[in-house]
Amino acid sequence: GQQVMQIPQYQHVQEGEDFTTYCNSSTTLSNIQWYKQRPGGHPVFLIQLVKSGEVKKQKRLTFQFGEAKKNSSLHITATQTTDVGTYFCAGRSMNYGGATNKLIFGTGTLLAVQP
Amino acid sequence: GAGVSQSPRYKVAKRGQDVALRCDPISGHVSLFWYQQALGQGPEFLTYFQNEAQLDKSGLPSDRFFAERPEGSVSTLKIQRTQQEDSAVYLCASSVSGINSYEQYFGPGTRLTVT
Repeated sequence: GQQVMQIPQYQHVQEGEDFTTYCNSSTTLSNIQWYKQRPGGHPVFLIQLVKSGEVKKQKRLTFQFGEAKKNSSLHITATQTTDVGTYFCAGRSMNYGGATNKLIFGTGTLLAVQP
Repeated sequence: GAGVSQSPRYKVAKRGQDVALRCDPISGHVSLFWYQQALGQGPEFLTYFQNEAQLDKSGLPSDRFFAERPEGSVSTLKIQRTQQEDSAVYLCASSVSGINSYEQYFGPGTRLTVT
């Protein structure tokens, strides 16, 4: 079945350093979403990417969708302690009838930020 | 309330007991999803409703798991004869449309512990 992997599993940075997490799908995706889950919390939607090669920015966060629509990345510039949490990508695969409504979540990257 | 609510927030069940988990989606949201999240893992898709119709139940791990949304709003996930491997956080999410491109709003989850 479809699998979505993320690397690294865990990243520990000093406040002010940059951070990147990478997401790779075994199948072509119709779109990809990113979610953030704080410790003890629930996933919160960050953004959706739809087009091949798309790049979107939200303040210090930059999201990319690969040309082949099988991979994505999230880059955080100058991390802050409020960035702590697990970042998940979640992809919708293509099927015969078009995109499905089922999201497949990645394995997640836990970000720890030391002040 | 403005968000997705779930009850109970915590449930301890003895192995073999039946449990019922409730989800109140955001009012007017067409789509409703159930996920299972094991400790340190990403949410895993269980099932999806569009209004009262269960359109995808491919993620339900066994016939002990059953979900319903009879009036197209509140949903219940029922687990019969619980096993220790059912211990996890069960997340409910809703989205405004049946169209596949909308973000999902997650509830706080129900933490199920089977002893």
